[in-house]
Amino acid sequence: KAGVTQTPRYLIKTRGQQVTLSCSPISGHRSVSWYQQTPGQGLQFLFEYFSETQRNKGNFPGRFSGRQFSNSRSEMNVSTLELGDSALYLCASSGGWTSGTGDTQYFGPGTRLTVL
Amino acid sequence: AQTVTQSQPEMSVQEAETVTLSCTYDTSESDYYLFWYKQPPSRQMILVIRQEAYKQQNATENRFSVNFQKAAKSFSLKISDSQLGDAAMYFCAYRTTSGNTPLVFGKGTRLSVIA
Repeated sequence: KAGVTQTPRYLIKTRGQQVTLSCSPISGHRSVSWYQQTPGQGLQFLFEYFSETQRNKGNFPGRFSGRQFSNSRSEMNVSTLELGDSALYLCASSGGWTSGTGDTQYFGPGTRLTVL
Repeated sequence: AQTVTQSQPEMSVQEAETVTLSCTYDTSESDYYLFWYKQPPSRQMILVIRQEAYKQQNATENRFSVNFQKAAKSFSLKISDSQLGDAAMYFCAYRTTSGNTPLVFGKGTRLSVIA
């Protein structure tokens, strides 16, 4: 099976702009989670989608939003970018608790966002 | 709230030697999963090993094994016969089976392998 894919891999934006990141999960996986990774804060959970519904949300401002489509692909959007949003954004997909793998999350390569 | 602590920010090991990375966690749950992930400099996070809390037997995957001490809430990763390709950030993570709660990560341990 193909792994989790994320596009674009690299992105440079300026403050105040908005950005949309895309994630395609492993085929058959219905859950997609997003994380922000920075050197200072480590890995921080953004949100999780399952069957097009957000079922969990981390402690991030409303500028961070996401959605999931019927084919399980997910997008996250960050509006009014700030310098502090510069980070690696990781997407992970999982097959659910009935998959026999403990809802193990498999990660994509990430999108490196730089805000100038 | 559940927390995961990795007390060793950095570690190093000689090639072919064995190294153990520490992880402790705090939870009041009885049923959960623990994971070790590896993130090489290329940034792709890779699952190394998974442990189910209700299983007493320690998980192993080739040169990687864990020492799971449920009562002590400890979950260490042992890497045997270390190879240069093992150099990476290693993250310990926890997820309860109850409710829809996210994966909780430790801060990570950077492992260097010396030739």
